[in-house]
Amino acid sequence: EAQVTQNPRYLITVTGKKLTVTCSQNMNHEYMSWYRQDPGLGLRQIYYSMNVEVTDKGDVPEGYKVSRKEKRNFPLILESPSPNQTSLYFCASKFSVGSSTDTQYFGPGTRLTVL
Amino acid sequence: AQSVTQLDSQVPVFEEAPVELRCNYSSSVSVYLFWYVQYPNQGLQLLLKYLSGSTLVKGINGFEAEFNKSQTSFHLRKPSVHISDTAEYFCAVTSYSSASKIIFGSGTRLSIRP
Repeated sequence: EAQVTQNPRYLITVTGKKLTVTCSQNMNHEYMSWYRQDPGLGLRQIYYSMNVEVTDKGDVPEGYKVSRKEKRNFPLILESPSPNQTSLYFCASKFSVGSSTDTQYFGPGTRLTVL
Repeated sequence: AQSVTQLDSQVPVFEEAPVELRCNYSSSVSVYLFWYVQYPNQGLQLLLKYLSGSTLVKGINGFEAEFNKSQTSFHLRKPSVHISDTAEYFCAVTSYSSASKIIFGSGTRLSIRP
């Protein structure tokens, strides 16, 4: 089954404790992206990747890192989480970075709470 | 730069009633428009998209949307809603020149009353 998976689905942590949220897709997609969803703000893009070893900042990259060492995986790293990073995070992928018309497929989300 | 405005944060309707969820966009270039649905505790899935051609676009689950270039709108409609349509709906925009970026609206929560 074609899908985007994220782990963990729920995470409660404390300020300053490094964490990684994993994202994996099995559709051989070139493009992957991370979003955060906050009430009243919709989805805002954090980082995106156009292919292996190619990443770029989205609208709200501060406090986050990403890597794309393999085509299928795109982990989101919070080196020193803070309470304002408490949010619902979504990973997404689409086949071709060059096409605006490709459908993005979303993972189930990771609800992160930073105390 | 592009932006999307969803005019209603919440829309309550009775079951089997029609519904319209409003979306307006702004852009200096030609756009592609999308509606996504997020069911409780799930990720987003595509309802429908407008790329070109006919301005009336039909999607899954009986939804349709109409692209109106003069009014820069892309409203979502369904003639008769069901309890199972309870979800949050997001309008989104992208363009040929910004294939790596999609801008989402703030979302509209549709609640269906029996």
